[in-house]
Amino acid sequence: DSGVTQTPKHLITATGQRVTLRCSPRSGDLSVYWYQQSLDQGLQFLIHYYNGEERAKGNILERFSAQQFPDLHSELNLSSLELGDSALYFCASSVGQGKFTEAFFGQGTRLTVV
Amino acid sequence: GDSVTQMEGPVTLSEEAFLTINCTYTATGYPSLFWYVQYPGEGLQLLLKATKADDKGSNKGFEATYRKETTSFHLEKGSVQVSDSAVYFCALINSGGYQKVTFGTGTKLQVIP
Repeated sequence: DSGVTQTPKHLITATGQRVTLRCSPRSGDLSVYWYQQSLDQGLQFLIHYYNGEERAKGNILERFSAQQFPDLHSELNLSSLELGDSALYFCASSVGQGKFTEAFFGQGTRLTVV
Repeated sequence: GDSVTQMEGPVTLSEEAFLTINCTYTATGYPSLFWYVQYPGEGLQLLLKATKADDKGSNKGFEATYRKETTSFHLEKGSVQVSDSAVYFCALINSGGYQKVTFGTGTKLQVIP
């Protein structure tokens, strides 16, 4: 158990809908990262939050947004869903910035858009 | 920009065979290099890392050496087990940037008894 909790584990929804994925980082970790893993594009970095502030964006669509709350949990909001958004969405957390040591990954949320 | 290239899988080996998974990278500066492993149904776990040239990372019988001259970080294991079946990701973080990790596409390893 990595200590990173993601909910829900599975999500099936229709095109055009909006969903929210939740991530609780390990106790004491200030950084949260979101990644998308799809069959054709591998692991793609989406966004990074540190202590409530957005620090960097990767290949995140405008239809997607995220935030990190004062209790450090994070939510990834996906809207106007398309079939191509079907993927595994991972959250990872680490202690903070500075020299990267290790990120701990959650088990992911599998999103299926039908 | 930074990039990581891994050999395509799947790689299928018999138990106790020697494993090599190739990884090369492109980055400015002096990146740190990592191997992550993803077992079926789980998230990614750090397997090993190396933070400077000629460093050797090792864990659970796996090894990888940071070769700056060939920009490579190949993963090796002398004798694989069925329990090593997983997807392996090579990754880097550039020392000049902040903590965005660039991952390779992953290599699936299947070990058969």
